[in-house]
Amino acid sequence: DTGVSQNPRHKITKRGQNVTFRCDPISEHNRLYWYRQTLGQGPEFLTYFQNEAQLEKSRLLSDRFSAERPKGSFSTLEIQRTEQGDSAMYLCASSPAYNEQFFGPGTRLTVL
Amino acid sequence: GQQVMQIPQYQHVQEGEDFTTYCNSSTTLSNIQWYKQRPGGHPVFLIQLVKSGEVKKQKRLTFQFGEAKKNSSLHITATQTTDVGTYFCAGPSGTYKYIFGTGTRLKVLA
Repeated sequence: DTGVSQNPRHKITKRGQNVTFRCDPISEHNRLYWYRQTLGQGPEFLTYFQNEAQLEKSRLLSDRFSAERPKGSFSTLEIQRTEQGDSAMYLCASSPAYNEQFFGPGTRLTVL
Repeated sequence: GQQVMQIPQYQHVQEGEDFTTYCNSSTTLSNIQWYKQRPGGHPVFLIQLVKSGEVKKQKRLTFQFGEAKKNSSLHITATQTTDVGTYFCAGPSGTYKYIFGTGTRLKVLA
């Protein structure tokens, strides 16, 4: 069990640039979540995939955010035209069923 | 919208003292999960409770789900320095989404 991996671990970008993050879930897990976490707060739900289908997306998520899971394995999260308020830790989690979530180490985004 | 609050926000205890964090949801939950996040780390699953009034123990940790399934608690007996971190509860909102609580940050003084 290699766990959930995320790349890159850190990303520094300038305001207005696009960024893309990748998440590789545990191989047999069909459920995948993306969260955003800022300092001192709990993870905030962004979106959910079951296999390749994106079944739920937070209403708080602007249209600058998009996520894909093309073959039901790895997933990508893209943020277009980044803003300073996007600076946060972006966490991916996978789950085998409707129970425990296994989190990856996260990608820390800093928007200058 | 649905909210999940935790109290206290912070707790400092002497090593060996007990610790409790409380989780309250604005709506009834079908289940509740607890996670621990070490400083600089990512959330790690501790347990899931499903039944009304359920109590589960893991060594020094005792988890409880309220009768109305709107609140939960985590109690740690005789804290150790390895218990340091932030404890989050999380409950489902709708079919797929999970809402995490505000967290309780525990510091243990040796």
